[in-house]
Amino acid sequence: SQTIHQWPATLVQPVGSPLSLECTVEGTSNPNLYWYRQAAGRGLQLLFYSVGIGQISSEVPQNLSASRPQDRQFILSSKKLLLSDSGFYLCAWSRAPPRPVYEQYFGPGTRLTVT
Amino acid sequence: SQELEQSPQSLIVQEGKNLTINCTSSKTLYGLYWYKQKYGEGLIFLMMLQKGGEEKSHEKITAKLDEKKQQSSLHITASQPSHAGIYLCGAGLSYGGSQGNLIFGKGTKLSVKP
Repeated sequence: SQTIHQWPATLVQPVGSPLSLECTVEGTSNPNLYWYRQAAGRGLQLLFYSVGIGQISSEVPQNLSASRPQDRQFILSSKKLLLSDSGFYLCAWSRAPPRPVYEQYFGPGTRLTVT
Repeated sequence: SQELEQSPQSLIVQEGKNLTINCTSSKTLYGLYWYKQKYGEGLIFLMMLQKGGEEKSHEKITAKLDEKKQQSSLHITASQPSHAGIYLCGAGLSYGGSQGNLIFGKGTKLSVKP
């Protein structure tokens, strides 16, 4: 069976500090990977998605970046955090096309507080 | 931009009562997904609907997608405290496009009073 892990579970960082959140998937190969942010009152917002190693698409311009160094590893980074980066970050995976849509499976999330 | 509207935003029901949550779009949806989330945790996949008029059930939860594929409802029968949480609907925007990207509603917070 497939599992998805996120690390760390919670993080408190000062403004201007760097960020690195990690997501790994087990039990599947060549998945599509996604980073979402969930902020209070704003719903779930897609930040990045990746269809393969080194392939990253950004949905929302911001000071965050994503990388996919390995098939089942997805990393969310920032060089300098802003207060507005606080939120609950969720990683998700889905099977790749050719089917038109696939259900996405989510990790446990990382709660980021920028102080 | 495309949005999914969920209603109600929050709901408090007495244990044992039935309830319905709605998810509406102004455009045709390609894949409608229901998730449940407990505060501070990830989303748990409940059901996916693709065909107009489709209906699926899992335990006491039933989801339907209308014929036009623009509205879905999630119905819980005889609610229990374990049903409490935030229910989110997600949907695909285009057939075969955007590599399976989904948009999500803002969620419906359900509380069940024992």
